[in-house]
Order: sequence, then structure tokens, then C-alpha cells
Amino acid sequence: LAKTTQPISMDSYEGQEVNITCSHNNIATNDYITWYQQFPSQGPRFIIQGYKTKVTNEVASLFIPADRKSSTLSLPRVSLSDTAVYYCLVGDRYSGSARQLTFGSGTQLTVLP
Amino acid sequence: DTAVSQTPKYLVTQMGNDKSIKCEQNLGHDTMYWYKQDSKKFLKIMFSYNNKELIINETVPNRFSPKSPDKAHLNLHINSLELGDSAVYFCASSQDGLAGDTQYFGPGTRLTVL
Repeated sequence: LAKTTQPISMDSYEGQEVNITCSHNNIATNDYITWYQQFPSQGPRFIIQGYKTKVTNEVASLFIPADRKSSTLSLPRVSLSDTAVYYCLVGDRYSGSARQLTFGSGTQLTVLP
Repeated sequence: DTAVSQTPKYLVTQMGNDKSIKCEQNLGHDTMYWYKQDSKKFLKIMFSYNNKELIINETVPNRFSPKSPDKAHLNLHINSLELGDSAVYFCASSQDGLAGDTQYFGPGTRLTVL
């Protein structure tokens, strides 16, 4: 199983770029990296998914180095409403089952005014 | 339209009681899940159903019994509730049930056992 390690918490200020790094040293060839965001009293919400290099959508960017042993979620110009827990997961998109999913405790991002 | 819905949102009950949580998804997905999130925010998968068939059953006590009447619904029944069952329970769905699938979560049910 590809276990992930993230910082427990991070603080930032409004308008700053925030980078949250996730380590997944034993990622498998077919594993994709997915990030979820969870606001208080809500279920996790998909943010972004990638396999290698860089992926960008309207919410975030995901940077994955060539060895794929880590990934960095980048949130540009955060606002107070980005305060949430961010989870990094790795999982096979072509086989295996969600039994392999371990959300862990995520990274609590607190954006300060 | 809510993609994944759960009822109730809050559930407060006494030890020893039996309770159910309902979940429905209107995304046309084949797979549904139940997760338990504890006070430390760990989100742990409990069950997974694919087209009404149980796929994952992760070392959950027999007091927990999922039921899927059709692929759009996955209910969770809990017998003889214990204090340690207090948590937030999330229902989720995905297209195929693969580990890399995007999962869509419901709003959660906060269960408090007194």
C-alpha cells in the first residue's frame, strides 16, 4: 500500500501562495495522486488529480517530480475560505480497490487575515 | 441537485440502541462507500458496494450492517450502539470503485452515543 505522509498543520496569510507537500515513497506504477479538501462539517471534496509533471485546474496546481515519490499541492493567493483540511491519496486507477485508500489525518490549513 | 445525500445529519442516541443512516447518490455511479471519521480527522473506509454487491468490509464489528437495495442507495444499520461508535459517518460514491477513482462525498452524519 502506498502510504502518504503530510504535515499536520500549516498557517498562511490571505493572498499568499500555499504549497502542501505529500510524501509517498512507495508509490506504484499505476498509482495516481489525488487531493481532497474538507471544510468543517462537510464531506471531502475532490480538488485535483495527477500522474506526473504538472496539472493545473481552476482551483489548484499539482506538481509531481519525475520520481513521483512526493507531490505538492499549490493553492494560489489563498483566502480565508481556503481554511480546510487537505488530504493526499494515492491509488491505482486501473485495478485494485478502494481498500487501498487511506486518507490519514490530512493537513489542516489555516488562512489568517 | 445534491449529488450524494445522507440522512439524518445529526443523530443522538443512547447506548444499546439500534439506528440507521441512509445514503443516496444521483450520479449514476456503480460504487458506494461508508467511511468513519474520528475526532482526529482520520477518515477510514468501512464498506464498499459495487452494483449492490459487497466489495469491501474492513474489520468492522458485526453490529454494523450495510444494505444496498439498489446501486443508488447504501444504508448503514448499527445495532447495540456503543460509546466508541460516536463519530462522523460519510457516504461516498465513485464510478468504478477503483482506488484511483474520484470519490464524491455526502455531507456526513454526526452520531453521538450517550
